[in-house]
Amino acid sequence: EPEVTQTPSHQVTQMGQEVILRCVPISNHLYFYWYRQILGQKVEFLVSFYNNEISEKSEIFDDQFSVERPDGSNFTLKIRSTKLEDSAMYFCAIPGFSGGASDTQYFGPGTRLTVL
Amino acid sequence: AQKVTQAQTEISVVEKEDVTLDCVYETRDTTYYLFWYKQPPSGELVFLIRRNSFDEQNEISGRYSWNFQKSTSSFNFTITASQVVDSAVYFCALRDTGGFKTIFGAGTRLFVKA
Repeated sequence: EPEVTQTPSHQVTQMGQEVILRCVPISNHLYFYWYRQILGQKVEFLVSFYNNEISEKSEIFDDQFSVERPDGSNFTLKIRSTKLEDSAMYFCAIPGFSGGASDTQYFGPGTRLTVL
Repeated sequence: AQKVTQAQTEISVVEKEDVTLDCVYETRDTTYYLFWYKQPPSGELVFLIRRNSFDEQNEISGRYSWNFQKSTSSFNFTITASQVVDSAVYFCALRDTGGFKTIFGAGTRLFVKA
């Protein structure tokens, strides 16, 4: 199972502030995914990112959200102006060892975002 | 549209009982993948199994087994001789072979009492 870490593990922020969540795979990957899970609810897809471009995004992923790969290894999710309803666990996912889109997605430990 | 339904919100069993978690899916795609993930109280999502739509063989892994029936669009998960450590939320999920997003069901919370 491929390894991926996420930082921070918990982020508390004030409404309207910008937050950046980071995902760091142990090995090099071209595909990245972000999902979120509001407390007690299902896991929801946000966006997939391939080779420095968004390949698919959900209706949740509006203009407040952006993703990038700033240095070739880290993969970030930015929320520009957080709202109370952005409070959730955010998971980064990477494909399995084949690294392809068809592979199983393995999830990082998640970042719990709390917006006050 | 794709959809995954896990009708059982919570199940409570006593240790050593067998338990089956139900999953029913909908998709218009002819080829797709089905998954089960486990979310223990610590919160991470742990991959358990993946099944390709063209492979209807059932699978057993230790105390876990999975029953995939394409005719009824179901992919059920059975834990034999449950243990307290099996207590978690279990998610069934679906992804079409040409897509990137995995669609999750609402999850079933399993409590295993000693």
